[in-house]
Amino acid sequence: DIVMTQSPDSLAVSLGERATINCKSSQSLLYSPNNKNYLSWYQQKTGQPPKLLLYWASTRESGVPDRFSGSGSGTDFTLTISSLQAEDVAVYYCQQYYSIPRTFGPGTKVDIK
Amino acid sequence: QVPLQESGPGLVKPSQTLSLTCTVSGGSITRGSYYWSWIRQPAGKGLEWIGRIYTSGSTDYNPSLKSRVTISLDTSRNQFSLNLNSVTAADTAMYFCAREGAGGKGDYWGQGTLVTVSS
Repeated sequence: DIVMTQSPDSLAVSLGERATINCKSSQSLLYSPNNKNYLSWYQQKTGQPPKLLLYWASTRESGVPDRFSGSGSGTDFTLTISSLQAEDVAVYYCQQYYSIPRTFGPGTKVDIK
Repeated sequence: QVPLQESGPGLVKPSQTLSLTCTVSGGSITRGSYYWSWIRQPAGKGLEWIGRIYTSGSTDYNPSLKSRVTISLDTSRNQFSLNLNSVTAADTAMYFCAREGAGGKGDYWGQGTLVTVSS
């Protein structure tokens, strides 16, 4: 199985400030034939199912605000919230879909400072 | 929109079989190249992928659960189902069904259903 790790476990950011979450995979998620990274980011608010934010490591899902962006390649990835809003309080998960079984990172909790 | 809705017993006794159904609205479950998945989440913990079924009926399972899991498709009812046998308290969790779309993105999720394993 591909093991996903995330850092930090939690962070508190002031409204309007930048939040950065890191995700590492135990093996490369870059598929050379199409040069795509098989990584998604999800946001989960309390009492709700996860919501897809980004796929292919950096492609925003339809309707996702552009303050959410993704970067990275291979085994190291980053989710950035450029200007934190109150509605962004949630747990964020990365997930690899390079191989079976799909695996998720342990999550990063984002709060307002 | 592709609403998904989980249904099934909220309480299952140890050693018995957990059975859940996911009903898909907004289009035929066999239309398009999609996988239909089950994911679970114990209270306060992270997400665990259980398995998926393709529109053809082919399946993939998490090796950690493979000996106990069956996922099936009922195209006449536009549903897919999860059976997990020999359950223990460790199987207590919120169970989500989801669609895995193009390139593996989980673009639609149900609201989840809580299953407790207890005598």
